[in-house]
Amino acid sequence: DIQMTQSPSSLSASVGDRVTITCRASQSISNYLNWYQQTPGKAPKLLIYVASSLQSGVPSRFSGSGSGTDFTLTISSLQPEDFATYYCQQSYSTPRTFGQGTKVEIK
Amino acid sequence: QVQLQQWGAGLLKPSETLSLTCAVHGGSFSGSYWSWIRQPPGKGLEWIGEINHSGSTNYNPSLKSRVTISVDTSKNQVSLNLYSVTAADTAVYFCAREQKIVGTTSWYFQHWGQGTLVTVSS
Repeated sequence: DIQMTQSPSSLSASVGDRVTITCRASQSISNYLNWYQQTPGKAPKLLIYVASSLQSGVPSRFSGSGSGTDFTLTISSLQPEDFATYYCQQSYSTPRTFGQGTKVEIK
Repeated sequence: QVQLQQWGAGLLKPSETLSLTCAVHGGSFSGSYWSWIRQPPGKGLEWIGEINHSGSTNYNPSLKSRVTISVDTSKNQVSLNLYSVTAADTAVYFCAREQKIVGTTSWYFQHWGQGTLVTVSS
């Protein structure tokens, strides 16, 4: 199985801050990396696919980059609705695996 | 607009079988994989397995011996059976549509069901 490791596990930030979350795969996954946002009691929502493609309807303050084993999700200017937990997920092979999540909290 | 509606028993005793069904409304049922994913309370996401419209399956090796995922194309439904449950199987279970990017072998979970909390307790 491909292990996905996110850092940090949690962070505190203020509205307007630039936030970066990293995700590392245990082996090269090319650009087969997706990012999701989850708020309490809800299903995850797709933000970014194939590492850097923005899902339709997702604000442009979200961006993704990386390839191989190292990836980042950046929120350029944090908004109140962005306080949530973020997960990376590899689609390079089965079993599909997710990072452990990064919880973004209000400072 | 694709919508996934799921249902099933929410409270089980140890050793019983977890059974959930996910109905797909809108969009094309073929051409996608349909996955089950679970999330223990306060924890992360675990992929259980997937099936396509022709019945081809892939399972997580960690659960493979206890899982069956099936499809009913006449009803556009996908079902999950997890046998011999224990307290460790307590989780919110999601069904999700895995969409393939045309011209690639890359997939992503685009649509999700609302989630079903299944609690295993004696």
